[in-house]
Amino acid sequence: QQQVKQSPQSLIVQKGGISIINCAYENTAFDYFPWYQQFPGKGPALLIAIRPDVSEKKEGRFTISFNKSAKQFSLHIMDSQPGDSATYFCAASKSWAAGNKLTFGGGTRVLVKP
Amino acid sequence: DAGVIQSPRHEVTEMGQEVTLRCKPISGHDYLFWYRQTMMRGLELLIYFNNNVPIDDSGMPEDRFSAKMPNASFSTLKIQPSEPRDSAVYFCASTREGARDTIYFGEGSWLTVV
Repeated sequence: QQQVKQSPQSLIVQKGGISIINCAYENTAFDYFPWYQQFPGKGPALLIAIRPDVSEKKEGRFTISFNKSAKQFSLHIMDSQPGDSATYFCAASKSWAAGNKLTFGGGTRVLVKP
Repeated sequence: DAGVIQSPRHEVTEMGQEVTLRCKPISGHDYLFWYRQTMMRGLELLIYFNNNVPIDDSGMPEDRFSAKMPNASFSTLKIQPSEPRDSAVYFCASTREGARDTIYFGEGSWLTVV
């Protein structure tokens, strides 16, 4: 059972454009929502994360928006650059007491065209 | 810091053979995770350890898979006998109490079973 659904599977954006990736979760016990970035041949790396007590978090060109009532969260990449071309995974987990077992979405392959 | 180190990076083996994947977590980290990544199933948590003790192995697909962590700086994931459907990228990851929101992944072991 996939508990975190991610869309789209892939997207192409022009340099300078906005990339938007959406995720929906089912388990209301989830309280930590990170995004990971993975380049070809590399392992995933933490990009940005949010907790349900805030509706938005911004770090540079990357912004997470969180809608607790809809059980959805999204990643916006502003002013997308070719170096942002990678696969992005959303994830979710319960409180750390449970061991922070991350449940990952299926991934979105982003290609930024110069 | 050297990061999480995995070996081998690539392995091609014949069906029925034993495969052993190795991981050295980041020094000082007391949590170690094994993930598997495939196109069909995405990133799946197989097992994780805390202070060298297996905490949750519910993601291990079947008895052909086993994992050990004999000390704080070394873990193995073994598949015996291997099958073509085991072909995947296997990631090891680690984190520490006090910085547990950030999980650091290795570069993965690319396994092909023919």
